[in-house]
Parts: sequence; structure tokens; C-alpha cells
Amino acid sequence: GAVVSQHPSRVICKSGTSVKIECRSLDFQATTMFWYRQFPKQSLMLMATSNEGSKATYEQGVEKDKFLINHASLTLSTLTVTSAHPEDSSFYICSARSNPRDRMKQETQYFGPGTRLLVL
Amino acid sequence: LAKTTQPISMDSYEGQEVNITCSHNNIATNDYITWYQQFPSQGPRFIIQGYKTKVTNEVASLFIPADRKSSTLSLPRVSLSDTAVYYCLVGDMIYNQGGKLIFGQGTELSVKP
Repeated sequence: GAVVSQHPSRVICKSGTSVKIECRSLDFQATTMFWYRQFPKQSLMLMATSNEGSKATYEQGVEKDKFLINHASLTLSTLTVTSAHPEDSSFYICSARSNPRDRMKQETQYFGPGTRLLVL
Repeated sequence: LAKTTQPISMDSYEGQEVNITCSHNNIATNDYITWYQQFPSQGPRFIIQGYKTKVTNEVASLFIPADRKSSTLSLPRVSLSDTAVYYCLVGDMIYNQGGKLIFGQGTELSVKP
């Protein structure tokens, strides 16, 4: 299947700093990418939908000024956690959607390996 | 987006067949049913997807009754490495909601020796 990478895989930062997480689709173009957050023992929570060349759409309750999303190319989306605080510590996962018109393929959305963020 | 209900946890032993049922009473005509597997500290991994009747691949089978209000993921002869959380998702993967996937609580499967 298609490959999605995330960088870094793990990051530790001080409270008040900003952290950027990259999500790349390695062997396909993704017009749409999604960002999720997952706390321990909980399910994935969709944060936002990122479309190439346009502003991201945020889910209710997600602060767009705190979680900046940029989708500058068809293979790269970035999530920046601005002024991070300990409560932002979580596992951040991105996914990338392949051509939605290709119905010959069952799997149309591919997930990255996740980024573990720890804010001290 | 249709809401899904799954058992929170299940226990099994190596070599057994495991069936995880998911309820989705409000499934829409265009909705597909997709199952993902997630190991700790990893992203979800696609297992199988179906619309109706039965779908089988190299790792699992998916049974969907005629009314499509539920589905059952069947894992044949599980091993310790199948210990993971399994998520059932329902949605139109293409046209509506922009392909958004909303995860429910999932089923934590524990396989014992």
C-alpha cells in the first residue's frame, strides 16, 4: 500500500515553544490530508482536514490559531502546535487520501506512523 | 456520519477465530464499512472494507447482513501479534464529508497464549 511518513516521530519541548510536525505522502499525491490527536487509552480524534492550496477546515472545539496547518504541496502537510503547553502532549497522527475516484482500490486513506509530543 | 457501536474489549486465545461485531443503525446508502487495526504508538492500519454481503482478503473477512445495520469482522486463527485495537468506521469514502473518518471507541482485542 501507499506510504505516509511523519517527522519527527518523537519530540520533547519546553512549554511555550512551537513545534512543527510534517506529514508526507511518499508515493502518491494527496489532495486531502487529515490530522488526528490521540490521548492515552482513547480513540483518534479528528482535528482538521487539510486541502492542498486552501485553508484547513477545523473540527469543532479545535483552535485554529493554536494548531496551524499548512498544505503547500500535494505531498506535504504540516501541523504547527504554537505555544505548546503540557496539555498539548499527545500522539498526533496524519492521514493522506489518495485519488477518491479510484474505486478499484478499497483503501483510499493511508495513515502515518504518528508523532509523540511531550511538552514539559 | 453514521455512529458505530462496538464492544470495548474482547479476550481470545491463540489459534481461535475472533469475531468482532459493530452496530451502525444509521448507515446511509452511500456508506461503506471499513475496519482498521491499531497497535500502541502506531498509526491505524487498514484491514478490510465492504459494502454488502461478504468480503474476504488475506487477513480477515467482513460479513455484512442485508440490512447493513451491523457488520462482523472475522479474524481466523488469531496469534499474539493480533493483540490490538480494532476500529469500525462507516462513511462515504468518496463523495460526502470529504472523506473524513470519524473513529469510535474501538475494540481492544487481547490474545492470550
